Amino acid sequence: GAVVSQHPSRVICKSGTSVKIECRSLDFQATTMFWYRQFPKKSLMLMATSNEGSKATYEQGVEKDKFLINHASLTLSTLTVTSAHPEDSSFYICSAPQITGVRETQYFGPGTRLLVL
Amino acid sequence: DQQVKQNSPSLSVQEGRISILNCDYTNSMFDYFLWYKKYPAEGPTFLISISSIKDKNEDGRFTVFLNKSAKHLSLHIVPSQPGDSAVYFCAASANTGNQFYFGTGTSLTVIP
Repeated sequence: GAVVSQHPSRVICKSGTSVKIECRSLDFQATTMFWYRQFPKKSLMLMATSNEGSKATYEQGVEKDKFLINHASLTLSTLTVTSAHPEDSSFYICSAPQITGVRETQYFGPGTRLLVL
Repeated sequence: DQQVKQNSPSLSVQEGRISILNCDYTNSMFDYFLWYKKYPAEGPTFLISISSIKDKNEDGRFTVFLNKSAKHLSLHIVPSQPGDSAVYFCAASANTGNQFYFGTGTSLTVIP
Protein backbone atom coordinates (compact mmCIF):
# COMPACT_ATOMS: atom_id res chain seq x y z
CA GLY A 1 0.00 0.00 0.00
CA ALA A 2 0.86 3.66 -0.04
CA VAL A 3 3.55 4.93 2.33
CA VAL A 4 3.37 8.01 4.48
CA SER A 5 6.31 9.04 6.62
CA GLN A 6 6.61 11.42 9.53
CA HIS A 7 9.63 13.13 10.98
CA PRO A 8 10.67 13.23 13.72
CA SER A 9 9.27 10.11 15.34
CA ARG A 10 9.65 11.63 18.77
CA VAL A 11 10.68 15.01 20.09
CA ILE A 12 11.25 16.46 23.53
CA CYS A 13 11.23 20.22 23.84
CA LYS A 14 11.11 22.93 26.45
CA SER A 15 7.96 24.85 27.17
CA GLY A 16 7.68 27.93 24.99
CA THR A 17 9.60 26.57 22.03
CA SER A 18 8.18 25.66 18.64
CA VAL A 19 8.27 22.21 17.12
CA LYS A 20 7.86 21.31 13.46
CA ILE A 21 6.55 17.91 12.38
CA GLU A 22 6.79 16.81 8.76
CA CYS A 23 4.44 14.48 6.94
CA ARG A 24 5.43 13.10 3.54
CA SER A 25 3.66 10.88 1.06
CA LEU A 26 6.51 8.82 -0.35
CA ASP A 27 5.08 7.19 -3.44
CA PHE A 28 2.04 9.22 -4.31
CA GLN A 29 0.88 12.80 -4.44
CA ALA A 30 -1.63 14.20 -2.03
CA THR A 31 -3.35 17.53 -2.49
CA THR A 32 -4.93 17.00 0.89
CA MET A 33 -3.43 15.67 4.10
CA PHE A 34 -4.91 15.37 7.55
CA TRP A 35 -3.48 15.94 10.98
CA TYR A 36 -4.74 14.03 13.99
CA ARG A 37 -3.99 13.99 17.64
CA GLN A 38 -4.48 10.98 19.83
CA PHE A 39 -5.33 11.42 23.47
CA PRO A 40 -4.75 8.60 25.95
CA LYS A 41 -7.54 6.03 25.84
CA LYS A 42 -9.39 8.07 23.26
CA SER A 43 -9.84 7.95 19.54
CA LEU A 44 -7.98 9.91 16.94
CA MET A 45 -9.11 13.51 16.90
CA LEU A 46 -8.98 15.29 13.58
CA MET A 47 -7.23 18.62 14.07
CA ALA A 48 -7.10 20.07 10.60
CA THR A 49 -7.13 19.42 6.89
CA SER A 50 -4.02 20.52 5.05
CA ASN A 51 -4.63 21.74 1.51
CA GLU A 52 -1.86 22.15 -1.05
CA GLY A 53 -1.90 25.66 -2.39
CA SER A 54 -4.43 27.05 0.05
CA LYS A 55 -5.06 27.57 3.73
CA ALA A 56 -5.62 24.68 6.06
CA THR A 57 -9.09 24.00 7.41
CA TYR A 58 -9.21 23.65 11.18
CA GLU A 59 -11.67 21.70 13.24
CA GLN A 60 -13.69 23.47 15.87
CA GLY A 61 -11.72 24.08 19.02
CA VAL A 62 -8.28 23.81 17.37
CA GLU A 63 -6.26 27.02 17.55
CA LYS A 64 -4.95 27.85 14.10
CA ASP A 65 -2.34 30.24 15.46
CA LYS A 66 -0.97 27.58 17.74
CA PHE A 67 -0.96 24.71 15.27
CA LEU A 68 0.42 26.13 12.05
CA ILE A 69 -0.02 23.97 8.99
CA ASN A 70 1.75 24.42 5.70
CA HIS A 71 1.22 22.19 2.68
CA ALA A 72 4.40 23.06 0.83
CA SER A 73 4.12 20.57 -2.01
CA LEU A 74 2.06 17.65 -3.23
CA THR A 75 4.08 15.33 -1.02
CA LEU A 76 4.79 17.40 2.08
CA SER A 77 2.71 18.91 4.85
CA THR A 78 4.13 20.35 8.05
CA LEU A 79 2.55 20.94 11.43
CA THR A 80 4.27 23.46 13.69
CA VAL A 81 3.29 23.55 17.32
CA THR A 82 4.10 27.10 18.36
CA SER A 83 4.97 28.11 21.91
CA ALA A 84 4.49 24.55 23.06
CA HIS A 85 3.15 23.86 26.53
CA PRO A 86 3.07 20.62 28.52
CA GLU A 87 -0.60 20.13 27.65
CA ASP A 88 0.43 19.92 23.99
CA SER A 89 2.28 16.72 24.77
CA SER A 90 0.60 14.06 22.70
CA PHE A 91 0.89 11.68 19.77
CA TYR A 92 0.40 13.47 16.46
CA ILE A 93 -0.46 11.49 13.34
CA CYS A 94 -0.88 12.59 9.75
CA SER A 95 -2.66 10.85 6.94
CA ALA A 96 -2.94 11.21 3.22
CA PRO A 97 -5.68 9.81 1.00
CA GLN A 98 -5.19 7.67 -2.04
CA ILE A 99 -7.74 6.04 -4.28
CA THR A 100 -7.97 2.31 -3.64
CA GLY A 101 -10.82 0.44 -5.17
CA VAL A 102 -13.90 2.58 -5.35
CA ARG A 103 -13.02 5.22 -2.78
CA GLU A 104 -10.26 7.00 -1.05
CA THR A 105 -8.39 5.24 1.71
CA GLN A 106 -6.45 7.13 4.29
CA TYR A 107 -2.86 6.06 4.76
CA PHE A 108 -1.37 7.08 8.04
CA GLY A 109 2.09 8.12 9.01
CA PRO A 110 3.82 6.38 11.90
CA GLY A 111 3.12 9.25 14.26
CA THR A 112 5.22 11.70 16.24
CA ARG A 113 5.41 11.59 20.00
CA LEU A 114 5.77 15.11 21.39
CA LEU A 115 6.78 15.68 24.98
CA VAL A 116 6.88 19.25 26.23
CA LEU A 117 8.75 19.73 29.47
CA ASP B 1 -21.06 13.66 19.46
CA GLN B 2 -19.52 10.30 18.65
CA GLN B 3 -20.87 9.26 15.27
CA VAL B 4 -18.91 6.04 15.20
CA LYS B 5 -18.91 3.88 18.30
CA GLN B 6 -17.00 0.85 19.40
CA ASN B 7 -18.67 -0.17 22.62
CA SER B 8 -16.18 -2.84 23.62
CA PRO B 9 -12.93 -1.25 24.77
CA SER B 10 -11.20 -4.61 24.97
CA LEU B 11 -11.48 -8.18 23.80
CA SER B 12 -9.49 -11.31 24.60
CA VAL B 13 -9.50 -14.32 22.32
CA GLN B 14 -7.65 -17.61 22.31
CA GLU B 15 -5.20 -18.17 19.48
CA GLY B 16 -6.83 -19.97 16.59
CA ARG B 17 -10.34 -18.86 17.49
CA ILE B 18 -12.39 -16.17 15.82
CA SER B 19 -12.14 -12.52 16.90
CA ILE B 20 -15.21 -10.39 16.28
CA LEU B 21 -14.90 -6.65 16.65
CA ASN B 22 -18.04 -4.55 16.45
CA CYS B 23 -18.74 -1.01 15.38
CA ASP B 24 -21.93 1.05 15.27
CA TYR B 25 -22.60 4.34 13.55
CA THR B 26 -25.35 6.90 13.69
CA ASN B 27 -24.97 8.92 10.50
CA SER B 28 -27.03 7.42 7.67
CA MET B 29 -24.93 9.41 5.18
CA PHE B 30 -21.90 7.22 5.83
CA ASP B 31 -21.29 4.99 2.85
CA TYR B 32 -17.69 3.87 3.19
CA PHE B 33 -16.20 2.05 6.13
CA LEU B 34 -12.70 1.00 7.04
CA TRP B 35 -10.89 -0.90 9.72
CA TYR B 36 -7.46 0.06 10.97
CA LYS B 37 -5.04 -1.73 13.23
CA LYS B 38 -2.79 0.23 15.53
CA TYR B 39 0.19 -0.82 17.59
CA PRO B 40 1.35 1.41 20.47
CA ALA B 41 3.34 4.44 19.35
CA GLU B 42 2.68 3.74 15.69
CA GLY B 43 0.26 5.14 13.16
CA PRO B 44 -2.83 3.15 12.21
CA THR B 45 -2.44 0.59 9.43
CA PHE B 46 -5.24 0.12 6.93
CA LEU B 47 -6.72 -3.38 7.08
CA ILE B 48 -9.88 -3.63 5.03
CA SER B 49 -12.70 -1.49 3.74
CA ILE B 50 -16.26 -1.91 2.57
CA SER B 51 -18.58 0.24 0.52
CA SER B 52 -22.24 0.50 1.40
CA ILE B 53 -23.19 -1.24 -1.84
CA LYS B 54 -21.81 -4.45 -0.38
CA ASP B 55 -22.54 -6.32 2.81
CA LYS B 56 -19.37 -8.36 3.00
CA ASN B 57 -15.76 -7.98 2.02
CA GLU B 58 -13.10 -10.58 2.61
CA ASP B 59 -9.32 -10.36 2.53
CA GLY B 60 -7.44 -13.36 3.80
CA ARG B 61 -8.14 -13.85 7.49
CA PHE B 62 -10.09 -10.60 7.68
CA THR B 63 -13.76 -10.23 6.79
CA VAL B 64 -15.86 -7.14 7.27
CA PHE B 65 -19.64 -7.38 7.44
CA LEU B 66 -21.95 -4.42 6.99
CA ASN B 67 -25.56 -4.29 8.15
CA LYS B 68 -26.89 -0.99 6.85
CA SER B 69 -30.33 -1.29 8.38
CA ALA B 70 -28.79 -1.76 11.80
CA LYS B 71 -25.99 0.74 11.12
CA HIS B 72 -23.57 -1.87 12.29
CA LEU B 73 -20.37 -3.35 10.97
CA SER B 74 -18.08 -5.99 12.29
CA LEU B 75 -14.59 -7.27 11.63
CA HIS B 76 -13.97 -10.99 11.85
CA ILE B 77 -10.45 -12.33 12.19
CA VAL B 78 -10.09 -16.05 11.79
CA PRO B 79 -7.96 -17.75 12.85
CA SER B 80 -6.71 -15.21 15.37
CA GLN B 81 -2.95 -15.00 15.88
CA PRO B 82 -0.90 -13.45 18.69
CA GLY B 83 0.43 -10.89 16.21
CA ASP B 84 -3.12 -9.62 15.77
CA SER B 85 -2.99 -8.18 19.29
CA ALA B 86 -3.45 -4.45 18.76
CA VAL B 87 -6.05 -1.72 18.94
CA TYR B 88 -8.56 -1.83 16.12
CA PHE B 89 -10.35 1.30 14.95
CA CYS B 90 -13.32 1.42 12.66
CA ALA B 91 -13.80 4.53 10.57
CA ALA B 92 -16.56 5.88 8.37
CA SER B 93 -16.94 8.55 5.76
CA ALA B 94 -19.74 10.05 3.72
CA ASN B 95 -19.78 10.72 0.02
CA THR B 96 -20.16 14.41 0.80
CA GLY B 97 -16.61 14.77 1.98
CA ASN B 98 -13.39 12.96 2.71
CA GLN B 99 -13.33 13.41 6.46
CA PHE B 100 -13.15 10.16 8.34
CA TYR B 101 -14.85 9.60 11.67
CA PHE B 102 -13.18 7.13 13.97
CA GLY B 103 -14.49 4.91 16.71
CA THR B 104 -12.71 4.87 20.05
CA GLY B 105 -11.00 1.59 19.34
CA THR B 106 -11.09 -1.95 20.70
CA SER B 107 -7.97 -3.45 22.18
CA LEU B 108 -7.66 -7.04 21.02
CA THR B 109 -5.48 -9.50 22.89
CA VAL B 110 -4.90 -12.88 21.32
CA ILE B 111 -3.75 -15.35 23.93
CA PRO B 112 -1.25 -17.96 22.74
